[in-house]
Amino acid sequence: SQKIEQNSEALNIQEGKTATLTCNYTNYSPAYLQWYRQDPGRGPVFLLLIRENEKEKRKERLKVTFDTTLKQSLFHITASQPADSATYLCAPLESGGYQKVTFGTGTKLQVIP
Amino acid sequence: GAVVSQHPSWVICKSGTSVKIECRSLDFQATTMFWYRQFPKQSLMLMATSNEGSKATYEQGVEKDKFLINHASLTLSTLTVTSAHPEDSSFYICSAAQGLSGANVLTFGAGSRLTVL
Repeated sequence: SQKIEQNSEALNIQEGKTATLTCNYTNYSPAYLQWYRQDPGRGPVFLLLIRENEKEKRKERLKVTFDTTLKQSLFHITASQPADSATYLCAPLESGGYQKVTFGTGTKLQVIP
Repeated sequence: GAVVSQHPSWVICKSGTSVKIECRSLDFQATTMFWYRQFPKQSLMLMATSNEGSKATYEQGVEKDKFLINHASLTLSTLTVTSAHPEDSSFYICSAAQGLSGANVLTFGAGSRLTVL
């Protein structure tokens, strides 16, 4: 069966450091991989999308890598800030007209001032 | 940017009653909407995929007669929890898909917290 795994433990880092979150997937052949941010009691917010033929994607302090051989995506936040504290969710997406979007377990990031 | 409005944001009902949750895309048309539920400290669980003008596709283990989904227009999908019971208490979140070069990028509503007494 398809599985999406993220760091199940919360990740605590010091302000200003780079946070790295991992997303591993099995039994998927994703054409895309998305990352979302979710704050408590709110719906997730889309952050970045990376395509299978892209190795890396950047947006401001965010960087995503996508390794289809390792079946893994890494999500980096550089110069982290307390406002970055949230749960981050990944979602591999297969190609096709009616794509359903399923999420990993999420990693809770806590940036300590 | 894209906005999805979800109502009500919270609802308390008695066991055995039905509750309807609305999800509207305000500034774009959404051919596809997704409904999720989330238990405390757990991830989002996809319940069903709703396509405008056709029947919803339910995930395995989700009772379609229990969770009625209607997607009558390109901007509105509704989820009705029928004969609600305390175990249906959860956080329900809808999302509307916009195609971005072939990928479904989701805009989520703020969620609806359902408490069944």
